[in-house]
Amino acid sequence: DVQLVESGGDLVQPGGSLILSCAASGFTFTTYWMNWVRQAPGKGLEWVANIKEDGSEKHYVDSVKGRFIISRDNARNSLYLQMNSLRAEDTAIYYCVRDDVYYTTNYYSRFDYWGQGNLVTVSS
Amino acid sequence: AIQMTQSPSSLSASVGDIVTITCRASQDIRNDLGWYQQRPGKAPKLLISAASTLQSGVPSRFSGSGSGTDFTLTISSLQPEDFATYFCLQDYDYPLTFGGGTKLENK
Repeated sequence: DVQLVESGGDLVQPGGSLILSCAASGFTFTTYWMNWVRQAPGKGLEWVANIKEDGSEKHYVDSVKGRFIISRDNARNSLYLQMNSLRAEDTAIYYCVRDDVYYTTNYYSRFDYWGQGNLVTVSS
Repeated sequence: AIQMTQSPSSLSASVGDIVTITCRASQDIRNDLGWYQQRPGKAPKLLISAASTLQSGVPSRFSGSGSGTDFTLTISSLQPEDFATYFCLQDYDYPLTFGGGTKLENK
């Protein structure tokens, strides 16, 4: 069975740093794009970042560019999110998400497996 | 960034009803749109990709349509387990963007 297990969430002060990890199992990690999606308490979903299968391509939402870094270790089947200069508005549940990109007439994304989520709280 | 405007933001309905949720994109996104269901305290679940392709295992009462800027998720006969929040997601261009969500409540 596909499993995505996040860890590393914590209470951190504004301006602080944190690393989220996601351990993947039950599928061939090296053949999937991976994403981080977050959800502030009681709010909607926000896509944060993604990374190509081999780590050669990364994309970020503007609000985290220059502060967050997505990375992966394919030998360890793991996805990471290094979060720096944290702000109160980064408080959210962070989900690790697999993207089953497929092609028919175009390339399409399918966020088909999600982790259980990990809470990051930024507060003094 | 492409803005996804989802409506309504909340909806009251009863078991057996037909329910329609819409998403409007701020620009043409072809059919690069997915629909997700989120139950309270749970991670979202993929229902539909490419605007109308039903994910394996998702009941056939769910359907999606649309292309360009206007998209629709329809639930043909609402079941008790369908009371949840629904989100659309455009994957046409970065940054990927979600609609604001539609909370479907039991009338």
